Amino acid sequence: NAGVMQNPRHLVRRRGQEARLRCSPMKGHSHVYWYRQLPEEGLKFMVYLQKENIIDESGMPKERFSAEFPKEGPSILRIQQVVRGDSAAYFCASSRDRSGEAFFGQGTRLTVV
Amino acid sequence: RKEVEQDPGPFNVPEGATVAFNCTYSNSASQSFFWYRQDCRKEPKLLMSVYSSGNEDGRFTAQLNRASQYISLLIRDSKLSDSATYLCVVKGRGANNLFFGTGTRLTVIP
Repeated sequence: NAGVMQNPRHLVRRRGQEARLRCSPMKGHSHVYWYRQLPEEGLKFMVYLQKENIIDESGMPKERFSAEFPKEGPSILRIQQVVRGDSAAYFCASSRDRSGEAFFGQGTRLTVV
Repeated sequence: RKEVEQDPGPFNVPEGATVAFNCTYSNSASQSFFWYRQDCRKEPKLLMSVYSSGNEDGRFTAQLNRASQYISLLIRDSKLSDSATYLCVVKGRGANNLFFGTGTRLTVIP
């Protein structure tokens, strides 16, 4: 039973390019969370999705960031026109239900040059 | 006020020592509590859930004090491999996300 799978593990983008981060939840999990972690800082909530629905995007920056979790396929976190300040580790977590334990993927480390 | 507050440490303890971390949360309606462990540049890993009655898993004991709104983690007989950052995590009833503390850094010294 594979855990939460994120890819790519490392992503380098030039300023102004787009970054697409993918997350496949654990089997049987339909709740997905995205978190961002800056160096030496804690995890900051970005968005919570269930299949085909964005439930809470209160932690997402208003511009350039979007997320989806389609009926088929992984959840995608998309960052348009990346800037240096977007460099961070982006972690995805999944849970079976709303109150259950969440399990994290290995993260995608985005570097904007 | 932050949802979850932890002493960032660092805690430097010798092997075999007992160490305890506390964490406070601000929302009295919080329902679910967890401790996660995060190694440097790795993902957080669930260490244990924290139940109202407290729970123990080997050398690790977690307790919840709802009246004072804090949870604790006790590690007995510390091992070198326990060196990591320990994250206190809280979820409110119906809340859409897990609130993470900034973590307490533990280093176990030979």
